Amino acid sequence: QVQLVESGGGLVKPGGSLRLSCAASGFTFSDYYMTWIRQAPGKGLEWVSYISGSGSTIYYADSVKGRFTISRDNAKNSLYLQMNSLRAEDTAVYYCARGAALDYWGQGTLVTVSS
Amino acid sequence: DIQMTQSPSSLSASVGDRVTITCQASQDISNYLNWYQQKPGKAPKLLIYDASNLETGVPSRFSGSGSGTDFTFTISSLQPEDIATFYCQQYGILPYTFGQGTKLEIK
Repeated sequence: QVQLVESGGGLVKPGGSLRLSCAASGFTFSDYYMTWIRQAPGKGLEWVSYISGSGSTIYYADSVKGRFTISRDNAKNSLYLQMNSLRAEDTAVYYCARGAALDYWGQGTLVTVSS
Repeated sequence: DIQMTQSPSSLSASVGDRVTITCQASQDISNYLNWYQQKPGKAPKLLIYDASNLETGVPSRFSGSGSGTDFTFTISSLQPEDIATFYCQQYGILPYTFGQGTKLEIK
């Protein structure tokens, strides 16, 4: 069965960096776009970034462009989100999801940006 | 960016009621519209894809309709386990965007 497991969240100071990972299993990872979505505490869902199966197509929300980098390692069935220059407003649960249509989601990993 | 205007933002209904949520896109997105259910502390779950297609395993009391800019999500007979927040999301035009959510409560 399809499984997505995020890791790498935690507490980081403003201006700091963090790298999130998403381990995928149960499907042919390289066949699918993968997406990061986030949800600030008590707020709605915000689409963050996606990457094509080959990694050749990438898109970011304006709110993270220039600070976040999405990548993937198809040999390891893993998706990544490198987050630099973190701000308090980046505090959120970060989810990875399969495809552009988000048919499967991980359980999320909490990122807290605070001094 | 495409703005997705979802309404109402909250809704209280009784078990057995028919519940309807609407989502309006600021531009034509064809049928590239999904509906998700999120229960507290859980990840969202896909219910409806391509505006009107029921995801496998999702009860048939859930349905969706619409195309272009106007979309509707319906629960034909509300059940206690349906209590959640529901979101629409367009994936027709980048960046893909979500509605602000509808919190559904039992009256």
